[in-house]
Amino acid sequence: DAGVTQSPTHLIKTRGQQVTLRCSPKSGHDTVSWYQQALGQGPQFIFQYYEEEERQRGNFPDRFSGHQFPNYSSELNVNALLLGDSALYLCASSLNRLGEQFFGPGTRLTVL
Amino acid sequence: AQSVTQLGSHVSVSEGALVLLRCNYSSSVPPYLFWYVQYPNQGLQLLLKYTSAATLVKGINGFEAEFKKSETSFHLTKPSAHMSDAAEYFCAVRAGGTSYGKLTFGQGTILTVHP
Repeated sequence: DAGVTQSPTHLIKTRGQQVTLRCSPKSGHDTVSWYQQALGQGPQFIFQYYEEEERQRGNFPDRFSGHQFPNYSSELNVNALLLGDSALYLCASSLNRLGEQFFGPGTRLTVL
Repeated sequence: AQSVTQLGSHVSVSEGALVLLRCNYSSSVPPYLFWYVQYPNQGLQLLLKYTSAATLVKGINGFEAEFKKSETSFHLTKPSAHMSDAAEYFCAVRAGGTSYGKLTFGQGTILTVHP
């Protein structure tokens, strides 16, 4: 049984560009949450998707958007990249919105 | 709103010594509390969770934590450290109600285990 998978593992972009990160949830899970972990910090909640809709959002600007597909996989999009967007982006899946969250290995984004 | 404070960004112990990682939380409603471990270049792995049942929670790899409401604490302990315990540890809180799945994490504590 595959766990949560994320792609790509690493990504380098320049300021102003746009990026899309992908997440496949653990088998049987229907909810995906995204977190940003800056270097030396704890993860910060970006948003949560359930039934293909954004259900809850953290304190992140509209440059951060997402999508959930019918197969429960999810994408995180970040527009107009800033240097401060450099971080490890973690995806977590759960069985419904209150279930235990299982984390993927993350995508390391570097913005130059 | 919920918040978590982890006391000590770095903790160093000898192999075989007691591990104590401190976590204090703030929550306006009864919290659910979690400890996660993160190894270098990896995601987070759940060690244990408190969900309003027993106040002493046992987790994987010999770790346990005690929920103390009066002290708003949820400290993580392990009686005897092993070299493989070296990692970064995060305490997290989740509130019920409309907070649903949002986890609020502390800043993390890096545990070093030396021979």
